[in-house]
This record gives sequence, structure tokens and C-alpha cells, in this order.
Amino acid sequence: EAAVTQSPRNKVAVTGGKVTLSCNQTNNHNNMYWYRQDTGHGLRLIHYSYGAGSTEKGDIPDGYKASRPSQENFSLILELATPSQTSVYFCASGDAGGGNSDYTFGSGTRLLVI
Amino acid sequence: AQSVTQPDARVTVSEGASLQLRCKYSYSATPYLFWYVQYPRQGLQLLLKYYSGDPVVQGVNGFEAEFSKSNSSFHLRKASVHWSDSAVYFCAVSRGYAQGLTFGLGTRVSVFP
Repeated sequence: EAAVTQSPRNKVAVTGGKVTLSCNQTNNHNNMYWYRQDTGHGLRLIHYSYGAGSTEKGDIPDGYKASRPSQENFSLILELATPSQTSVYFCASGDAGGGNSDYTFGSGTRLLVI
Repeated sequence: AQSVTQPDARVTVSEGASLQLRCKYSYSATPYLFWYVQYPRQGLQLLLKYYSGDPVVQGVNGFEAEFSKSNSSFHLRKASVHWSDSAVYFCAVSRGYAQGLTFGLGTRVSVFP
């Protein structure tokens, strides 16, 4: 079954440390996305990618980098983690785009920065 | 820029009653609209989507939504809710070709027996 798998499921990081969140999809979708979910803000787009080697900035990219080394994998990197980045992060994959798009979401990664 | 407003943060309904969740969108072009549901500690699951044609779209588990261009709305309905429908519901609009979705803040639905 096609899926989006995120790892780790939970992560505790120290302020100033580097954090990498990983996402793997078996949907063979070209496009992948990273969102964060916070109470009062809903889901906000951080970075997205059109395919291997591409990354694009979403609405809130500051403090985050993204990497898309292959069709299947899309990582979110926090070079210097801060407590304000404590959140739940969701990865998603999407097909060609437009009205007939299908987006599949992972189960989320809960990140606590202390 | 596109935006989505879900005016009701919380809705409480009795089991067997009908449910309507409101969604208003702002988008300059033809909107592609989605409703997702999120159960506790899970990801988002698609309920239904609209991009053209009949303004009433059917989704999973008895949900349907009605698109209104004149009102810029995409309200979600269910005729008779079950306790298992307790969850958070998100309305979303496409950001543009392959650019992902813009979400509303969500509506938390609690179904009481």
C-alpha cells in the first residue's frame, strides 16, 4: 500500500543542536511537502519539492532547510534548533498537481526542543 | 494570496444529529478545495475534494460538501453523526499547481451519546 512514512515519531532535541526529520514515500509522487502544526495556527507550509534535487520555500521557511536526494525521500533540517520549533511536523506527498491532486500525509513527528 | 477561514473552533453535537462545518475561502482563480479529518495523534485523511462540476461532492463515511462560488464557501455536512466522527476537521485550498495546500485552523468536533 502506498504510504508516507516519517521518522522519528518523537524527538527531543537540545537548543542549538541539529535535527533532521526524515520522510519516505512509496506513492511515486513527484511532489513532497513539509508542514508544521501548532495550536492556533493550523498547518503551515515550510518547504516543498517538485522532485529529486529541488526544494522550494513555503510560507515559514526561516530556520529550516530541506533536502530531496531522491524521488522517495525528503528531509527537513533544523541546523540550530530553538524552542519555538517545538511542534508536530507532517510530511506529505502529492501527484501532478491541479484539481485532481491527491495528497497523502504521514503520521507526524512530534519535536520537543528544550 | 489564498486563505481559508473556519469560523467555528469547536462544535458539539449529539450522536445521530446532523453536522455542518463551515469553510470560507479566498482565492483568485478557480479553487481546488479539500476537507481532511485528523484523529488524535494521527495524520490527515482525505474526506473529499472539489475541483469542478456538480457543486455537491460526496466523500467517505457519509460526508458531503457543497461548493458555492458566489459565497466563496465549501461547507461540510453529515446527516447523522456517530461517536467515531469525533475529530478535528480541516478545510484546505490548493496554493497553485503542485504547491501544496493552505489550511484553515480546523474545527474540533465532539460527538456525545
